[in-house]
Amino acid sequence: AQSVSQHNHHVILSEAASLELGCNYSYGGTVNLFWYVQYPGQHLQLLLKYFSGDPLVKGIKGFEAEFIKSKFSFNLRKPSVQWSDTAEYFCAVNAGGGSYIPTFGRGTSLIVHP
Amino acid sequence: EAQVTQNPRYLITVTGKKLTVTCSQNMNHEYMSWYRQDPGLGLRQIYYSMNVEVTDKGDVPEGYKVSRKEKRNFPLILESPSPNQTSLYFCASSLQGRSNSPLHFGNGTRLTVT
Repeated sequence: AQSVSQHNHHVILSEAASLELGCNYSYGGTVNLFWYVQYPGQHLQLLLKYFSGDPLVKGIKGFEAEFIKSKFSFNLRKPSVQWSDTAEYFCAVNAGGGSYIPTFGRGTSLIVHP
Repeated sequence: EAQVTQNPRYLITVTGKKLTVTCSQNMNHEYMSWYRQDPGLGLRQIYYSMNVEVTDKGDVPEGYKVSRKEKRNFPLILESPSPNQTSLYFCASSLQGRSNSPLHFGNGTRLTVT
């Protein structure tokens, strides 16, 4: 069964700092990868996704993520965070093809101080 | 506006009193799913449905029921709620239920069982 690990449970940054959130998955086959964001009191929204092609994907609000197949990783990055990026971030993995049971990581809570 | 609508947003009930949380989507999505979100545990899938009259258990189905009589609706039923079902619940849908389809989430239902 696939699993997802998000190593950073809580991250606190100041505005303009750079961000990198780790995501590792365990599944040997083809995967589809997602990052979702949940702003305080709101539902989850798609931030970005990777299916195939260029392993560096760009999402909304200046976020990007890099798929490194050899490391089973899909880390999320942003060069300069803003106070409005304060949210919880979830990495999710679907095995390519087959049944549709996406697996979510436990989430990373990001607090950005102004 | 394309959306997934859950009701109610907040619900406080007592142990053993049957309740239903409704979920409706207006995007003609085949796939629908229910998750619960608990601190430190991230999102865990309760049940999912690939299409009308087709439902399957997720990771944590015990104590829950679902039905999919119509494409747009996917209610979550707790026949005899218990305090360990106190949680934040999200309904989600996606197009065609394929592994590369992102999920669209509802606004959540915060349930407290006393």
